[in-house]
Amino acid sequence: DTAVSQTPKYLVTQMGNDKSIKCEQNLGHDTMYWYKQDSKKFLKIMFSYNNKELIINETVPNRFSPKSPDKAHLNLHINSLELGDSAVYFCASSPTGTGMEGYTFGSGTRLTVV
Amino acid sequence: RKEVEQDPGPFNVPEGATVAFNCTYSNSASQSFFWYRQDCRKEPKLLMSVYSSGNEDGRFTAQLNRASQYISLLIRDSKLSDSATYLCVVTSTSGTYKYIFGTGTRLKVLA
Repeated sequence: DTAVSQTPKYLVTQMGNDKSIKCEQNLGHDTMYWYKQDSKKFLKIMFSYNNKELIINETVPNRFSPKSPDKAHLNLHINSLELGDSAVYFCASSPTGTGMEGYTFGSGTRLTVV
Repeated sequence: RKEVEQDPGPFNVPEGATVAFNCTYSNSASQSFFWYRQDCRKEPKLLMSVYSSGNEDGRFTAQLNRASQYISLLIRDSKLSDSATYLCVVTSTSGTYKYIFGTGTRLKVLA
């Protein structure tokens, strides 16, 4: 029973395309996140949603648009993909988003833009 | 200065050795601290929270030094399976809570 599941696991696409990554959690958590891990392995927050409401929106190009149809799902749509978007994108969730608890991460989506 | 800093390593240690990592943070108002472990090409997994009084979980001990603004992780009796990258996490208190990750310390335990 996967707690936080992301699809697809791998995504290879050409520059300029639009793609989406889906994330679902079955833990009953209120808060979900998108993180980007670049080639230097640095994990940086992109977005956070608490019960479908956007609460964190870091300095991310507006080509990236998150959508949370309900608190168990957080999807990420990327328009006009660029070479620099190549990275591993991790979805995560936490019970309340207060920062006092551990996060559960999905297994990641490895995006390669060619 | 980065918000959370770690020595990237790698730390190469023989099996059975004791190894310690430190992680420094810049925001003195930070409240929550964690250690995560990330295996190659896998997701980060929570290893342990770090409490003010220090805490231990089997071979792993975490300590917090608020005065000097660092946290530490000590691993005793290293196993081959401990080889991984260890990520320090500090919770930002500016506005909404969010995790700030360090860049990680790579540990290789050698047979």
